[in-house]
Amino acid sequence: SQTIHQWPATLVQPVGSPLSLECTVEGTSNPNLYWYRQAAGRGLQLLFYSVGIGQISSEVPQNLSASRPQDRQFILSSKKLLLSDSGFYLCAWSLLQGLNRPLHFGNGTRLTVT
Amino acid sequence: DAKTTQPNSMESNEEEPVHLPCNHSTISGTDYIHWYRQLPSQGPEYVIHGLTSNVNNRMASLAIAEDRKSSTLILHRATLRDAAVYYCILRGQTDSWGKFQFGAGTQVVVTP
Repeated sequence: SQTIHQWPATLVQPVGSPLSLECTVEGTSNPNLYWYRQAAGRGLQLLFYSVGIGQISSEVPQNLSASRPQDRQFILSSKKLLLSDSGFYLCAWSLLQGLNRPLHFGNGTRLTVT
Repeated sequence: DAKTTQPNSMESNEEEPVHLPCNHSTISGTDYIHWYRQLPSQGPEYVIHGLTSNVNNRMASLAIAEDRKSSTLILHRATLRDAAVYYCILRGQTDSWGKFQFGAGTQVVVTP
């Protein structure tokens, strides 16, 4: 069966520090991968999505970046965090083929920038 | 991308059915209707999806209007564990790169 791992679960970082959040998927090949962010009390905002290694598409201009160095690995990074980067970050995957394929989320990383 | 409209919140008593509406008047013929729910401090989880026919699974039922411009997620007997934000989204061939766009969702409150 497929599983998605996301870490760390919580993170407190000072303003201006770098960020690296990692997500890995097991049990499937060539998944679509997604990074979402949810600010406190708000809906989900799609940040990045990827359909293959090295293929990243950004939805919102910001100081965050994403990379996909391996088929089932998706990394969210920042060189310098802002206070507004605080939020709940969620990684998700879906199968590439088929519009009826659901989205599967990780347990999320709660980031607090101080 | 096709958009969906949901009420901000709904309340229900425990063990009563809950009907969550979703309007998607610009849906195209190949768009699938997906429902997810998000419990507090957790990632969203898949609930159900459909294209044209009504669908049932162990979690819920999905009723799709004949013109497909609206749908209703039905929780047959609400429990306290069903208190969550419910999202209705469309996924179709018009969505480049297969991306899912979530709206604000409906906050479901279940009262004992």
